Amino acid sequence: ILNVEQSPQSLHVQEGDSTNFTCSFPSSNFYALHWYRWETAKSPEALFVMTLNGDEKKKGRISATLNTKEGYSYLYIKGSQPEDSATYLCAFEGYGGSQGNLIFGKGTKLSVKP
Amino acid sequence: NAGVMQNPRHLVRRRGQEARLRCSPMKGHSHVYWYRQLPEEGLKFMVYLQKENIIDESGMPKERFSAEFPKEGPSILRIQQVVRGDSAAYFCASSQQGKYSNQPQHFGDGTRLSIL
Repeated sequence: ILNVEQSPQSLHVQEGDSTNFTCSFPSSNFYALHWYRWETAKSPEALFVMTLNGDEKKKGRISATLNTKEGYSYLYIKGSQPEDSATYLCAFEGYGGSQGNLIFGKGTKLSVKP
Repeated sequence: NAGVMQNPRHLVRRRGQEARLRCSPMKGHSHVYWYRQLPEEGLKFMVYLQKENIIDESGMPKERFSAEFPKEGPSILRIQQVVRGDSAAYFCASSQQGKYSNQPQHFGDGTRLSIL
């Protein structure tokens, strides 16, 4: 059974703090690692699709890195704002086995206090 | 709104009834995925469809659950003879190309199914 783990489960920071969280995934049969941002009562919003070891992607104050050899990705938020409050999901896409699915972690719930 | 549209947003059924959940993918997308989120759990893959074809249904329970994506109209996830354990949020996602395409899946707002 393939497992995707995210830590921490939840995080409370003050406005202006920078923060980061982790996604661990299987290092074998890797194709891509997806990051999503999920606000309450809305749909998950795609942030990044990362495929190359050592890749780093950036979108505004949010960036992500990827290590496929050891099976982890970090998501960084610089200068957190209250509107960054959301659950951040990562999902593993691997070769072989099921054709269509992403395997999601349970997410890191970020709360940013003004 | 050109996003993935799911309806209804909330659905209440009594045990033994049928539930039909609809999903219209983003314009130009021919790949549809259904996921289920049980309470306190993450999103779990159920089924992947392309127009008129089921590509992968490995995550869908063998009994009572079925899915289709006809040539015309939305994708339908159908649950027959619902039980309390079917209470969950069901999410649909779509993509322009399929797996291994370096593209994200775009999600709808989900249908919250409650079984009385």
